[in-house]
Amino acid sequence: DSGVTQTPKHLITATGQRVTLRCSPRSGDLSVYWYQQSLDQGLQFLIQYYNGEERAKGNILERFSAQQFPDLHSELNLSSLELGDSALYFCASSGTTGSTGELFFGEGSRLTVL
Amino acid sequence: AQSVAQPEDQVNVAEGNPLTVKCTYSVSGNPYLFWYVQYPNRGLQFLLKYITGDNLVKGSYGFEAEFNKSQTSFHLKKPSALVSDSALYFCAVRDGSYIPTFGRGTSLIVHP
Repeated sequence: DSGVTQTPKHLITATGQRVTLRCSPRSGDLSVYWYQQSLDQGLQFLIQYYNGEERAKGNILERFSAQQFPDLHSELNLSSLELGDSALYFCASSGTTGSTGELFFGEGSRLTVL
Repeated sequence: AQSVAQPEDQVNVAEGNPLTVKCTYSVSGNPYLFWYVQYPNRGLQFLLKYITGDNLVKGSYGFEAEFNKSQTSFHLKKPSALVSDSALYFCAVRDGSYIPTFGRGTSLIVHP
């Protein structure tokens, strides 16, 4: 158990809809990362937050947004969903943004868009 | 920009034999290198890392990795494979940006 909690584990929705994925980092971790895993693209970095502030942006679509709340949990919002958004979405956390350490991953939220 | 290449989509090995999963990287500055393992329907789990120091790094479950600066490689190794080692393995690299870039993953299949 990594200590990172993601909900929901599975989500099935229709094109055009909006969903919210939730992540609780390990206790004490300030940094949260969101990754998208798909068969054709591999593991793609989306966005990083550190102590409530956005720190880095990767290949995140404009239809997607995220935030980190004062209690350090994070939410990833996906809107105007398309079939191609079907993927496994991972949240990971780490201690500090300057750390050389590893990331701790949740078990992912599997999104299926029909 | 940083990048990672895992040249093999799949590695097959017999139980009890040594295994190697290859990784090469490109990064400006000193690399921080990581290996993760992903079992079916699970998140990635950290195995080991190289930051500095000894080129041979030991990690979880008997795995080790060898850092080779001249060849920009960080191959994952294990002296004796177990069927339970069958999983997807990811190499990752980061520089001062603190955002790791992951390879596409190598599926390790250990045959009984």
